Amino acid sequence: NAGVMQNPRHLVRRRGQEARLRCSPMKGHSHVYWYRQLPEEGLKFMVYLQKENIIDESGMPKERFSAEFPKEGPSILRIQQVVRGDSAAYFCASSLGRGSNTEAFFGQGTRLTVV
Amino acid sequence: DAKTTQPPSMDCAEGRAANLPCNHSTISGNEYVYWYRQIHSQGPQYIIHGLKNNETNEMASLIITEDRKSSTLILPHATLRDTAVYYCIVRVVGSSGSARQLTFGSGTQLTVLP
Repeated sequence: NAGVMQNPRHLVRRRGQEARLRCSPMKGHSHVYWYRQLPEEGLKFMVYLQKENIIDESGMPKERFSAEFPKEGPSILRIQQVVRGDSAAYFCASSLGRGSNTEAFFGQGTRLTVV
Repeated sequence: DAKTTQPPSMDCAEGRAANLPCNHSTISGNEYVYWYRQIHSQGPQYIIHGLKNNETNEMASLIITEDRKSSTLILPHATLRDTAVYYCIVRVVGSSGSARQLTFGSGTQLTVLP
């Protein structure tokens, strides 16, 4: 059973370009969470999605960031017009459900570097 | 949100048990305690979770005090590969009864020494 798959593992973008990060959850999981980790800092929650729905986006920056989790295919985190401050590791996690007794499993992350 | 308090760092000798403490004095009755670790900027790895009974799996044991205000993660025979940041997280339950996202604090940097 494959784990949470994120791609690409490393992404380099010039300032002003768009970054698209993909996350394929574990088989059977319909809940996805995105986190960001800035250099030398902790993991910060960004957004929680269930298939075709955004459940909680309280951690998403108000501009340039968006996320989706379509009925078919991976979840996508999109960052438009990237700036140097967007350079970070972006992790996604997936879980089977919303119960508090349901563990979430993380992918290995995408390292975004904005030059 | 229930908050957790962990020591910023700990050392442990290889082969010995590592006991990582966590205080969560404001935990509510339906909130679970989760432990994750992050090895050198890799993706966080799930370790174990529990509500009020002690739990054990192939990785670790979780001891939760009777009043649930604190817990201890035990790695029975620490190896060098266990060097990581360990996060104790109280998973908050929303008003609808569903769990909210995991909120990571600063964690404990565990260094296993040869």
